[in-house]
Amino acid sequence: AQSVAQPEDQVNVAEGNPLTVKCTYSVSGNPYLFWYVQYPNRGLQFLLKYITGDNLVKGSYGFEAEFNKSQTSFHLKKPSALVSDSALYFCAVRPISGGYNKLIFGAGTRLAVHP
Amino acid sequence: EAGVTQFPSHSVIEKGQTVTLRCDPISGHDNLYWYRRVMGKEIKFLLHFVKESKQDESGMPNNRFLAERTGGTYSTLKVQPAELEDSGVYFCASSQVAGGPGNIQYFGAGTRLSVL
Repeated sequence: AQSVAQPEDQVNVAEGNPLTVKCTYSVSGNPYLFWYVQYPNRGLQFLLKYITGDNLVKGSYGFEAEFNKSQTSFHLKKPSALVSDSALYFCAVRPISGGYNKLIFGAGTRLAVHP
Repeated sequence: EAGVTQFPSHSVIEKGQTVTLRCDPISGHDNLYWYRRVMGKEIKFLLHFVKESKQDESGMPNNRFLAERTGGTYSTLKVQPAELEDSGVYFCASSQVAGGPGNIQYFGAGTRLSVL
């Protein structure tokens, strides 16, 4: 079965420190990869995507993500965390082959950035 | 430009009642998707419309769920009769294109459904 794993329910980081939110996936073939963020009482906001090319992709709000094909991972990173980054983060994949249009999500990771 | 709009934002109903959720996609987006997140688990796909046609409804849990998109604009998701396990957050998303790298799905704020 195709799936996405976010191994940490919560990540705690001090403001100003680098942050990493982990994501690994198990899908057939090569997928498109996405990160979304949900702030309180808001919808899921698209952060960034990996389609092809450079393994490091940059997105909104200073976030970036690193694709690692051999480890089937797509970890979200930011060099310096802000308190305002505190939110729920979802990793998602969409397989390229098979006419897939739906996203397969992980369970989400809550990021808490402390002053 | 308005984003994806969902209402109500929260609905509390009793087991056996009927609830209808509504989604207004981004104007011009032919593709509309419904997803559900139950009890803090992963967000799961329910179905996908292309205009008014159901492209993929493989994620619909059972026949108590009925989704419609008359005229290819807004969509409704009806649960009848609602059961306790239907509680969760129902998200709607829309995209301009379906397949390929250009498919970025934009989500609404969700409807939190509580079945008591």
